[in-house]
Amino acid sequence: EIVMTQSPATLSVSPGERATLSCRASQSVSTNLAWYQQKPGQGPRLLIYDASTRATGIPARFSGSGSGTEFTLTISSLQSEDFAVYYCQQYNNWPPWTFGQGTKVEIK
Amino acid sequence: EVQLVESGGGLIQSGGSLRLSCAASGFTVSNNYISWVRQAPGKGLEWVSAFYSNVITYYADSVKGRFTIFRDNSKSILYLQMNSLRAEDTAVYYCARHRMFRGAVCDFDIWGQGTVVTVSS
Repeated sequence: EIVMTQSPATLSVSPGERATLSCRASQSVSTNLAWYQQKPGQGPRLLIYDASTRATGIPARFSGSGSGTEFTLTISSLQSEDFAVYYCQQYNNWPPWTFGQGTKVEIK
Repeated sequence: EVQLVESGGGLIQSGGSLRLSCAASGFTVSNNYISWVRQAPGKGLEWVSAFYSNVITYYADSVKGRFTIFRDNSKSILYLQMNSLRAEDTAVYYCARHRMFRGAVCDFDIWGQGTVVTVSS
């Protein structure tokens, strides 16, 4: 099973600032990696797939990069609606499909 | 509109059984990989089980032998039959559709709103 590790656990950012979230895989997942956003009381929403492709309707301020074992999600200028928990997930080796433990982006 | 709607959650005693439903609209269950993913209170996301076209089913080790995923052939509804429930099965259960690309099973592009399962010990 591939273990996904996210850092930091919590990120405090002011509105308008950049946020950088990290995700590491225990072995290479190529670019078979997705990022999700989850707000309280809601199901997750797909943001990024194939490590760097934005899903339909996702604003350009969200970008993903990386390959192999190291990945990054960048939110270029945080808006109020971006404060949420973000998860990475690999789909290179399955089952199981595995998620990171999440990074909470909170208002500084 | 493409969407998934879960139902069937509730409060159940340890050792009991519960059946969750996932109703799909805007697409057919039979042509898609669909998974159940759960989230324990205050925790992250954990994949539970996956289904494809009545011939392929997968289970996480934590639920193997206790949970069964299956489809209603006459409706576009996917079920998760949960037996021998334990306190650690307490979670919000989401169904989610896998994005497919050139035959590869990928990420989860559509999620439901979830249904809450609470197992009391």
